[in-house]
Amino acid sequence: AQSVTQPDIHITVSEGASLELRCNYSYGATPYLFWYVQSPGQGLQLLLKYFSGDTLVQGIKGFEAEFKRSQSSFNLRKPSVHWSDAAEYFCAVGEGSGGSYIPTFGRGTSLIVHP
Amino acid sequence: DVKVTQSSRYLVKRTGEKVFLECVQDMDHENMFWYRQDPGLGLRLIYFSYDVKMKEKGDIPEGYSVSREKKERFSLILESASTNQTSMYLCASSLPQGGTDTQYFGPGTRLTVL
Repeated sequence: AQSVTQPDIHITVSEGASLELRCNYSYGATPYLFWYVQSPGQGLQLLLKYFSGDTLVQGIKGFEAEFKRSQSSFNLRKPSVHWSDAAEYFCAVGEGSGGSYIPTFGRGTSLIVHP
Repeated sequence: DVKVTQSSRYLVKRTGEKVFLECVQDMDHENMFWYRQDPGLGLRLIYFSYDVKMKEKGDIPEGYSVSREKKERFSLILESASTNQTSMYLCASSLPQGGTDTQYFGPGTRLTVL
């Protein structure tokens, strides 16, 4: 069965610093991988996704993620964090099933941004 | 823009009450999902539906049921609410795209069972 691990429960960074959020997955075939963000009091919003091709994926809000098959990782990065990036971040892996996709989510990483 | 709405942002119910959580999407998506979100546990899938009147159990269906009579509406039902069902409930919808489906989420309903 597929699974997702986000090893960091909380990450604290200063505004303007770079960011990397870790995500490791377990899945037999080539996975479909996603990062979602949940701002306070809101639902989740897709940041980016990978399903094939270039292993470096660009997303919204200046985020990018790199798929590394050898490390079973899909880490999220941003070169310079803004205070508005403070949120909960979820990595997810999807398994196709008859055309539908049932994702498995990680437990999330809470990002705290200091001024 | 896709819009997923949930009937209540906050709900307080008593143990044993029957609770209905409603979700409506306006993008003609085939797939709809109900999750519960608890601190430290992430999102756990309760039920999903890939068509009208169709439903499939997720990882934690016990104590819940669902109804999908119309394509745009997916209801979660707690037949007899219990305190361990106090949680944030998130609804989502998606268009089937062979596994690369993007899920669109509602803002969530925070349910407290006293």
